[in-house]
This record gives sequence, structure tokens and C-alpha cells, in this order.
Amino acid sequence: QQPVQSPQAVILREGEDAVINCSSSKALYSVHWYRQKHGEAPVFLMILLKGGEQKGHDKISASFNEKKQQSSLYLTASQLSYSGTYFCGTGSGTYKYIFGTGTRLKVLA
Amino acid sequence: SAVISQKPSRDICQRGTSLTIQCQVDSQVTMMFWYRQQPGQSLTLIATANQGSEATYESGFVIDKFPISRPNLTFSTLTVSNMSPEDSSIYLCSVEVRYSGANVLTFGAGSRLTVL
Repeated sequence: QQPVQSPQAVILREGEDAVINCSSSKALYSVHWYRQKHGEAPVFLMILLKGGEQKGHDKISASFNEKKQQSSLYLTASQLSYSGTYFCGTGSGTYKYIFGTGTRLKVLA
Repeated sequence: SAVISQKPSRDICQRGTSLTIQCQVDSQVTMMFWYRQQPGQSLTLIATANQGSEATYESGFVIDKFPISRPNLTFSTLTVSNMSPEDSSIYLCSVEVRYSGANVLTFGAGSRLTVL
């Protein structure tokens, strides 16, 4: 079952904040976040592990609610370079990385 | 971090033909993952390829349509067989890499296939 992300798309201006949500119907062992720029491969941003540990990007933060099977990505003081499509990826403990529906983010000058 | 080379980067194919995509990693890896990304969509896992065993396919994907080879720990191929326009997608090869004690994915640049 593919995790559902919200919003599907967001437009903001440089310096504004955004939150992207990821919700899974299955229990999560970990949540990954990736960003894909147009015409490029997805690039790893962050991983959140059970127990609250997070590793990754130093200007982007995220949360992981294991009970609710949800994760949120917080983009603060957005930069033009943040534009792209964001995917959450879930690890279910079976070495299968399943990606969410995606959120297109565009940052305007 | 592993570096993945994929080829072809793009191709235009005729209906009914088959195309093989190659994925080369600069280090030995246990598992390689093949994803499909249809236009404007998310990534869908096709199969997981382990060296020395049959690939494990996800629901909706079958070996006859997407045969996979994994001859060694650094190389894999995905063939898209008997292509139709619905197979027009980006196909991505991916491997796990270690990041601060956790496993995360790194991707090849992808192979963009257009089927006419």
C-alpha cells in the first residue's frame, strides 16, 4: 500500500515555510525523504528511525509519529533550490522501499 | 556512497520490441532494486535483484515482461519485453548505501524510454 502524501502540490516564495505530510496504512520501521528535481534521479534527504532519531539534511527537519504511522517534512526559509518533487519512502522491515505519492514544490523568487 | 551508471539514458522504441537496461555499481552490493516512474507519477518498485537467486517481483510485475539478470555483485540488467506505449516510463536502478548507521537508497540517473 503506497503512502499518501499531502499536499499534492505547493507553491511558495523564497523565505516561506512549508510542511509535507506522509501517511502510511502499514506499520513503519523507518521513513526516508527524497527530493527529485525535474529530469534527475531522486536524492536522499533524511531518514527517521523508530525512537525519534533522524539523520540527514541540516536545513530540513522532519518528524516521525510511529503510532499514527505518519511523518512530516518541514522546510523552513525556503530557497529556490528546494524546488522539486518530494517523496517519502517507507521501510517496512522487509527490504522493500515503497515510495509515497509525491508532493510537487515550487519556490518562487 | 555508491556510484551507479545506467544505460541507455534514453531511447525511443517501437511497439513489440524489447530493450535491456544496464546498471553498473562501483562497489559490491547485495541487493539491487528496479523502479518504474511513469510520467508525473511516483516511483513503483518492480523487483528486487539479489546475486545468485531469482529476482523477487512486486505485485503487477511478472518475469516474462520484465526479466532481470544479476550475474555478479556489481551489475544487473532489466529487460522490458514486448513493449507497448504504456511502458513509456523512466526506469531507475537503485542500491542501498550506509548513511550514519542506517540504510538508504541511492539511484542511477535513470533510463527514459518512449515507446511509439
